[in-house]
Amino acid sequence: DAMVIQNPRYQVTQFGKPVTLSCSQTLNHNVMYWYQQKSSQAPKLLFHYYDKDFNNEADTPDNFQSRRPNTSFCFLDIRSPGLGDAAMYLCATSLGLQETQYFGPGTRLLVL
Amino acid sequence: RKEVEQDPGPFNVPEGATVAFNCTYSNSASQSFFWYRQDCRKEPKLLMSVYSSGNEDGRFTAQLNRASQYISLLIRDSKLSDSATYLCVVKRTSGTYKYIFGTGTRLKVLA
Repeated sequence: DAMVIQNPRYQVTQFGKPVTLSCSQTLNHNVMYWYQQKSSQAPKLLFHYYDKDFNNEADTPDNFQSRRPNTSFCFLDIRSPGLGDAAMYLCATSLGLQETQYFGPGTRLLVL
Repeated sequence: RKEVEQDPGPFNVPEGATVAFNCTYSNSASQSFFWYRQDCRKEPKLLMSVYSSGNEDGRFTAQLNRASQYISLLIRDSKLSDSATYLCVVKRTSGTYKYIFGTGTRLKVLA
């Protein structure tokens, strides 16, 4: 059974059109993360939530926002996608900050 | 200089071969180490944690050298299904816990 679920698996949006990616988990983990991974590059952490406590990486553009309405769900909002935001977006969870991270299957975003 | 560095490869090896990857890290505050496997267009999946004493899981052996700040992954008797990208991951705690990923080493096992 899938434990970290991301929908949709593929998302196409237009330049400048807001888009939301979703992640849900059945693990009841406290921490949820969003990573951006471009082709042949390492996953790059955008931000994470420890419970409701939001932690933004210093170099994450303001264009990227996140919401975590409850333990199970976390959303990534891209307010005005640019061509450079086309990437795989990976959600991950961990029980605590020191624990192993488990990744969802990712959402591949295409910006036209 | 990147905090975690890996040779991107690809490493092309025949079935049955033994192959080893190294990964170097620059931050001595690094606390934990992992190897993740990532198949093309899929998510990273934990392959194994790396312990100071070295650890083995079937055909896979991981080692850590804190003095020289590198970790290694050895794959024996390579299978076609081992073809993937292997990501080195370092967790550090300078200020906050954070996973730092290497860009990965591509392995192709050839029939």
